Amino acid sequence: QVQLQESGPGLVKPSETLSLTCTVSGGSISSFFWTWIRQPPGKGLEWIGYIYDSGSTNYNPSLKSRVTISVDTSKSQFSLKLNSVTAADTAVYYCARVKLIYWSFDLWGRGTLVTVSS
Amino acid sequence: DIQMTQSPASLSASIGDRVTITCRASQTISNYLNWYQQQPGKAPKLLIYGASSLQNGVPSRFSGSGSGTDFTLTIASLQPEDFATYYCQQSYSTIFTFGPGTKVDIK
Repeated sequence: QVQLQESGPGLVKPSETLSLTCTVSGGSISSFFWTWIRQPPGKGLEWIGYIYDSGSTNYNPSLKSRVTISVDTSKSQFSLKLNSVTAADTAVYYCARVKLIYWSFDLWGRGTLVTVSS
Repeated sequence: DIQMTQSPASLSASIGDRVTITCRASQTISNYLNWYQQQPGKAPKLLIYGASSLQNGVPSRFSGSGSGTDFTLTIASLQPEDFATYYCQQSYSTIFTFGPGTKVDIK
């Protein structure tokens, strides 16, 4: 079955760029939307943005100036870059697949904790 | 952005109880409302999409209802594995937003 796995550094310094990759296995990355969601420790969920396999994107306006999501279909991967990070960006970052019916998130990675600290 | 609220913020219940969680949107969202369950230390899991459609593999004790601005998630008979936090999410606007969550714990 289709599985998603996040990967990337668990510690990022303030003002630097957070970079994560989500690898899709067991199925095709094509013809789907893919998304990133984050959850600060002990808090709720925040949608970051999504990308289609063509590369078209949509971002949360609250993060838009700092976020880039990209896709590499040849590697079955999509990636998140968040620049100028602060401690407020410390969170578990999840990648997920978007189910086009009602734009729900039907498949999730396990998540990866990224801590912003010097 | 469309704001989502949930009530209660937390509740205590016993095995076998019927549990109802409410989600309200700041403007009408038709039936573009999804529900997720998050167990401690795990990723969220999609339970209900389109306000009332059960995701494949989700037990039938879970049900959803509502349209417009007011929605409900019901667990007909609470099981041990249902103790978790539940989130609603609107997808009417493509700036997706989640509710703050409702934590269900053991009485």
